[in-house]
Amino acid sequence: EAGVTQSPTHLIKTRGQQATLRCSPISGHTSVYWYQQALGLGLQFLLWYDEGEERNRGNFPPRFSGRQFPNYSSELNVNALELEDSALYLCASSPGTGANVLTFGAGSRLTVL
Amino acid sequence: KQEVTQIPAALSVPEGENLVLNCSFTDSAIYNLQWFRQDPGKGLTSLLLIQSSQREQTSGRLNASLDKSSGRSTLYIAASQPGDSATYLCAVDDYKLSFGAGTTVTVRA
Repeated sequence: EAGVTQSPTHLIKTRGQQATLRCSPISGHTSVYWYQQALGLGLQFLLWYDEGEERNRGNFPPRFSGRQFPNYSSELNVNALELEDSALYLCASSPGTGANVLTFGAGSRLTVL
Repeated sequence: KQEVTQIPAALSVPEGENLVLNCSFTDSAIYNLQWFRQDPGKGLTSLLLIQSSQREQTSGRLNASLDKSSGRSTLYIAASQPGDSATYLCAVDDYKLSFGAGTTVTVRA
């Protein structure tokens, strides 16, 4: 069974640009979570999607947005990139609301120059 | 390939007892190690982050140690409470996060 896949593995952008990160959950999983891990910091919860809807959002500005597609894959968009957006972005999936087991992808490392 | 192992897989203790959770990893070339808490139906909560140059981090009742040379970290939770019941995950950052399978803790009132 394929795990959670994220793309791209690495992404380099400049300030002010937009970045799009993608996540494919495990087959059958309907929930997708996004996390940010900036250098030297712990994992910060960004967004949670389930059945195509945003269920919860972390303490991030509106320029962080995303969506979940009918096939349950998801994308995270970061607009007007700032240097401090440089981080590892992790996606995780779970079977659905109430399930307590998350499977994480390997992450997408975004570097903003 | 980094392999992260957490022992035990599950732990049940009476309230007030100290908890000791273990994490081992195979490749010592890491940037940092983190301990997370996961509650049912919710995402991860970062508890402690230990940089590779550090040996210990403390936050309240939590204390985590790191021995890179032996590939081990231990999370101590003092005077456990029922609210500590959760799954605890360690994750090793060696450019990508490699997680252990977690230790599920139940603290009995």
